[in-house]
Amino acid sequence: DGGITQSPKYLFRKEGQNVTLSCEQNLNHDAMYWYRQDPGQGLRLIYYSQIVNDFQKGDIAEGYSVSREKKESFPLTVTSAQKNPTAFYLCASSIYGNQPQHFGDGTRLSIL
Amino acid sequence: GQQVMQIPQYQHVQEGEDFTTYCNSSTTLSNIQWYKQRPGGHPVFLIQLVKSGEVKKQKRLTFQFGEAKKNSSLHITATQTTDVGTYFCAGFHNNNDMRFGAGTRLTVKP
Repeated sequence: DGGITQSPKYLFRKEGQNVTLSCEQNLNHDAMYWYRQDPGQGLRLIYYSQIVNDFQKGDIAEGYSVSREKKESFPLTVTSAQKNPTAFYLCASSIYGNQPQHFGDGTRLSIL
Repeated sequence: GQQVMQIPQYQHVQEGEDFTTYCNSSTTLSNIQWYKQRPGGHPVFLIQLVKSGEVKKQKRLTFQFGEAKKNSSLHITATQTTDVGTYFCAGFHNNNDMRFGAGTRLTVKP
């Protein structure tokens, strides 16, 4: 089946530690996105990529980094610079920029 | 960046009552999408509206795009418990500038 796979489902981060969230899609979509969702809140865009080897900052990119070395993969690193990383992280993809987005099941990140 | 405002933030209805959520932008949108997120789940795409004044229906759900392409609404007729969740709009100001509304959380009392 085609879809988006995020892993892990749950992740715990120690103080001062960088952690990487995985996002893989087999939908052959050009565009991929990372969102942060806090309890009872909407979706805030962290980073997006319209094409391989290119990505742009969203509204809340500080403390996060991404790479897009392959079309299928768009990993997100939550760095130690992100002081409040506890949230639900959602990855999405679309055929191209303004088309409907398909979301993964998300990763819940917590601080130990 | 340009914002998309969505109201109300919460709506609690009795099963069988109608429900409406609204999205508004201060500037013209190229298109708007609607998503539903069930509790504990991820957003799922419902529909996309592109044309001025467009109206689309999916069973009990009716989606509208305003004539000026600055506002949109989602109306559910005769809500059911399966309608529970948070409904988000996502407005596109151009191909690269998209904003999600804050969402409307719908609860339905049986």
